[in-house]
Amino acid sequence: QVQLVQSGAEVKKPGASVKVSCKAAGYTFTGKYIHWVRQAPGQGLEWMGRINPNSGGTDYAQKFQGRATMTRDTSISTAYMELSSLRSDDTVVYYCAREMASTGHHAFDIWGQGTMVTVSS
Amino acid sequence: EIVITQSPATLSVSLGERATLSCRTSQSISSNLAWYQQKPGQAPRLFIYGASTRATDIPARFSGSGSGTEFTLTISSLQSEDFAVYYCQQYNDWPRTFGQGTKVEIK
Repeated sequence: QVQLVQSGAEVKKPGASVKVSCKAAGYTFTGKYIHWVRQAPGQGLEWMGRINPNSGGTDYAQKFQGRATMTRDTSISTAYMELSSLRSDDTVVYYCAREMASTGHHAFDIWGQGTMVTVSS
Repeated sequence: EIVITQSPATLSVSLGERATLSCRTSQSISSNLAWYQQKPGQAPRLFIYGASTRATDIPARFSGSGSGTEFTLTISSLQSEDFAVYYCQQYNDWPRTFGQGTKVEIK
């Protein structure tokens, strides 16, 4: 079964960092990009960036450049998103999602279940 | 950055009725548009890509149309499981952007 399984909820203090994992199963991990999308409570979806699991190459939204770091470990088919200098407005759900990359289409066909990160002093 | 505007913000529809959701982009994106459904407490689910191609296991009552800057998601006959928030997303340009969503609620 093709799926992405994310790590559990986190509570962090302002200024700290958080690292969320996303484990892929049921397909060749290195074959498709993994994207990270976040969603504040009751709000819309915000794209953060993506990683090429094969090469490790990354692309970030300008808003997160320098504060988000996306990495992967191909030996365990897992992608990571680390966000530093956490603020209260980083209290959101973080999703990983697979890019389908089918015949030129790059929508996100598989999503992780989401990881809630709470930033609170 | 391509800005996406969805309308209406909320759509009240009765069971069995037709629902039409709109998505407008600030620049032309050809057909590089996807629609996602999200229910409370769940991750988004891909429904439509390429503006009009249904994703795997998506019922035929869902259809997408449009190209350029104007797109539509139509639900021909609303079922109880269709009440949710629908987001459109462009993947033509960077950064990838989403609309703010349309909530389809029971009338």
